[in-house]
Amino acid sequence: QSTLTQPASVSGSPGQSITISCTGTSSDIGYNSVSWYQQYPGSAPKLIIYDVSDRPSGVSYRFSGSKSGNTASLTISGLQADDEADYYCSSYSTSRVMFGGGTKLTVL
Amino acid sequence: ELQLVESGGGVVQPGGSLRLSCAAFGFRLDDYTMYWVRQAPGKGLEWVSLVNWDGGRAYYADPVKGRFTISRDNSKNSLYLQMNSLRTEDTALYYCVKDKWGSNGPFDYWGQGTLVTVSS
Repeated sequence: QSTLTQPASVSGSPGQSITISCTGTSSDIGYNSVSWYQQYPGSAPKLIIYDVSDRPSGVSYRFSGSKSGNTASLTISGLQADDEADYYCSSYSTSRVMFGGGTKLTVL
Repeated sequence: ELQLVESGGGVVQPGGSLRLSCAAFGFRLDDYTMYWVRQAPGKGLEWVSLVNWDGGRAYYADPVKGRFTISRDNSKNSLYLQMNSLRTEDTALYYCVKDKWGSNGPFDYWGQGTLVTVSS
């Protein structure tokens, strides 16, 4: 089954910024919108970015999204300890939804 | 408060069947496309299936095509997933998920999931 490509892990120190990439194709990310989800162990995923760069109400301004060609990116600025979680990107193609493999963020 | 509550998971032998249910509270199900997304233990998210607002269109991921059937009963504000010919690789936590707008995502509400274990 096709998935979008994310790095397996990223890390950063408190206060730093990190970026997670999500690479697809011209049929999915390159053509359609992208969303990002945060998941803590034992909990359901939570929507943090939609339509490439919009934040739902209540999500910190420290989370931002962008897209260039077939690659989307999630940036977390001012890293905090409770940002440590798994992050997933998602997009869609004709009649199909895709998720990235997930990126584990470690706050050092 | 908007809520999605899944049920119907359990332990089943390979080749067996299960029917998952998802009850929606706090909103009208028939305004939205709905999804099932699963997560195998220690693994990432995997889209399983989607159904449009009136049940007229349904789509499936390749690994479940021909074995799973998604359906909905808007009068009961409920979503279902009939799973047949289950395989060990179907073992996962199954989430019921709501579309934020109407179709094509994003996914703004997730249930807590129901665990399906396929094992002999």
